[in-house]
Amino acid sequence: QSALTQPRSVSGSPGQSVTISCTGTSSDVGAYNYVSWYQQHPGMAPKLMIYDVSKRPSGVPDRFSGSKSGDTASLTISGLQADDEADYYCCSYAGSDTSLFGGGTKVTVL
Amino acid sequence: QVQLVQSGAEVKKPGASVKVSCKASGYTITTFYMHWLRQAPGQRLECMGIIKPGVGSTKSAQKFQGRVTMTWDTSTNTVYMDLSSLTSEDTAMYYCARARYGGNQIDYWGQGTLVTVSS
Repeated sequence: QSALTQPRSVSGSPGQSVTISCTGTSSDVGAYNYVSWYQQHPGMAPKLMIYDVSKRPSGVPDRFSGSKSGDTASLTISGLQADDEADYYCCSYAGSDTSLFGGGTKVTVL
Repeated sequence: QVQLVQSGAEVKKPGASVKVSCKASGYTITTFYMHWLRQAPGQRLECMGIIKPGVGSTKSAQKFQGRVTMTWDTSTNTVYMDLSSLTSEDTAMYYCARARYGGNQIDYWGQGTLVTVSS
């Protein structure tokens, strides 16, 4: 099983929206609605932002939204803020208790 | 309030083994599965395996089979990950993480344990 593919970096100005893609295959992203997204600030543990493709845990702002089409999932951050600058990782269930991560996307707030 | 508190940083020589602990609070470890993952410097997160204390089983990723042992102690609500035959490529931050949602999706992470392998 290969890892998921994410762009290495995206950037936007404060208040703008950015979208991060996460491309897998019909055996992982395309097969299950178990895609999650994690935010990781430097030196910190990852934090869950989205699960089940589009659900937000309590405490995560509604500026963060998730979606999926076919084998590609996406995370959109609206109303970009300085604190959103971080690395973002997608993760998908791939069956048989296996989970795959993307390579991570660095979000830069200009 | 759920917390996962991991043991401290380790420095090991090549060929040695390392054991990392992850003490859970705010819930009972038999209620949910627990992942072990690692992240080498500048690299992606990598799943090492999953522990199912309530079921009484573990499953390690193919890459680590034969080298990783995952155990738990319900009396202390703690899970453990033991990695043997260390090489410099095992230098990484190691995380435990609770799998709460369907498809073993993670909700809470430990703070990480840095393991450095150096001669």
